Amino acid sequence: QQQVKQSPQSLIVQKGGISIINCAYENTAFDYFPWYQQFPGKGPALLIAIRPDVSEKKEGRFTISFNKSAKQFSLHIMDSQPGDSATYFCAASRDQTGANNLFFGTGTRLTVIP
Amino acid sequence: DAGVTQSPTHLIKTRGQQVTLRCSPISGHKSVSWYQQVLGQGPQFIFQYYEKEERGRGNFPDRFSARQFPNYSSELNVNALLLGDSALYLCASSPTGEGQPQHFGDGTRLSIL
Repeated sequence: QQQVKQSPQSLIVQKGGISIINCAYENTAFDYFPWYQQFPGKGPALLIAIRPDVSEKKEGRFTISFNKSAKQFSLHIMDSQPGDSATYFCAASRDQTGANNLFFGTGTRLTVIP
Repeated sequence: DAGVTQSPTHLIKTRGQQVTLRCSPISGHKSVSWYQQVLGQGPQFIFQYYEKEERGRGNFPDRFSARQFPNYSSELNVNALLLGDSALYLCASSPTGEGQPQHFGDGTRLSIL
């Protein structure tokens, strides 16, 4: 059973455009929601993360929007660049349980066309 | 500062064999977690260790085992390898057993023939 559902599976965006990736979860015990970026042959790298006490977090061109009532969160990449072409994973965890294992979505392959 | 380091980077084994993968966490990090990433999927949690104790275990068979050493490095062992064990095995470290963030290494690519 997929604890975190991610869409779309793939995304093609023109350079300078906005890339939007969406995730949904069911477990209301989740209290940490990170986004990871993964290039071929590399491990996932933490991009940005949010906790449920805020609705939005911005770091540079990357913004997380969080809707607690809808149990959804999304990643927005502003001014998308060809170097942003990678696979993006959303994830969630329940830190208060004493363990910090992450539940990942299935990934979105982003291609930014020059 | 060095990130999470994993060895070997690639490994080829045959069905039924056993394999040991190694991970060194970021200096100062005491928690290590292992994940399996099948091609085209997100990583799936296998184990978490903190201060040499198992903190969590994912839905994997008993063929998978792990341990953490006094220097906080870790090994993942998989026995009786199956074709379905072919995957990228990722190690992540965090400062404590609770909380985030987790930082990942580049993984070990395991291929089973």
